[in-house]
Amino acid sequence: QVQLQESGPGLVTPSETLSLTCIVSGGSISSSGYYWNWIRQPAGKGLEWIGRFYSGGNPDYNSSLKSRVTISADTSNNQFSLKLRSVTAADTAVYYCARACSGATCAPTWGQGTLVTVSS
Amino acid sequence: QSVMTQPPSASGTPGQGVTISCSGGSSNIGANSAYWYQQIPGTAPKVLMYRNNQRPSGVPVRFSASKSGTSASLVISGLRSQDEADYFCAAWDDTLRAWVFGGGTRLTVL
Repeated sequence: QVQLQESGPGLVTPSETLSLTCIVSGGSISSSGYYWNWIRQPAGKGLEWIGRFYSGGNPDYNSSLKSRVTISADTSNNQFSLKLRSVTAADTAVYYCARACSGATCAPTWGQGTLVTVSS
Repeated sequence: QSVMTQPPSASGTPGQGVTISCSGGSSNIGANSAYWYQQIPGTAPKVLMYRNNQRPSGVPVRFSASKSGTSASLVISGLRSQDEADYFCAAWDDTLRAWVFGGGTRLTVL
């Protein structure tokens, strides 16, 4: 059973880069048929999809964040990362990584989430 | 402002049934599978439904869902106090090339 765990700093300085890693166990990020996603949720608000990658394809990004986001894979360590540049207080949120299946053939699996606060 | 529309709140008494709607468009629910999530405040979203009406193992049969055209619905029968949570719908949007979510419905069990 695949499990995902987010890791990274809980506090980021405004204008700096937010960097998070999603460590995957029980499944390979190199396997075909899966999409590896980042999603965030500001306190008291709804869910916002940030972007995704899949093995052998180009990443997709939320158009509202595209200029500041990079999602990349580290296949040797079976993990993938999120980098969000030039952060502001509006980027303060709980960040989740999640695996979705191509063709909706399985239920998505989410990590437990990690709170990132942007503050000086 | 969310791409998909849900009522902000819903309520029911224990034992009753409640339906939560999600209105999307031709490029998201109309073209792709709908998903439903339950989120108890302070915890990660839990998948209730995928592929429109498929329950992951462990989700009680009290939860059911359907899709018609560009809308989806989640039905909870036999309400329990532990069903108090926020419920979100989701779908892939072919035009935006993005996952889109409803704004969420806060369910209160009176």
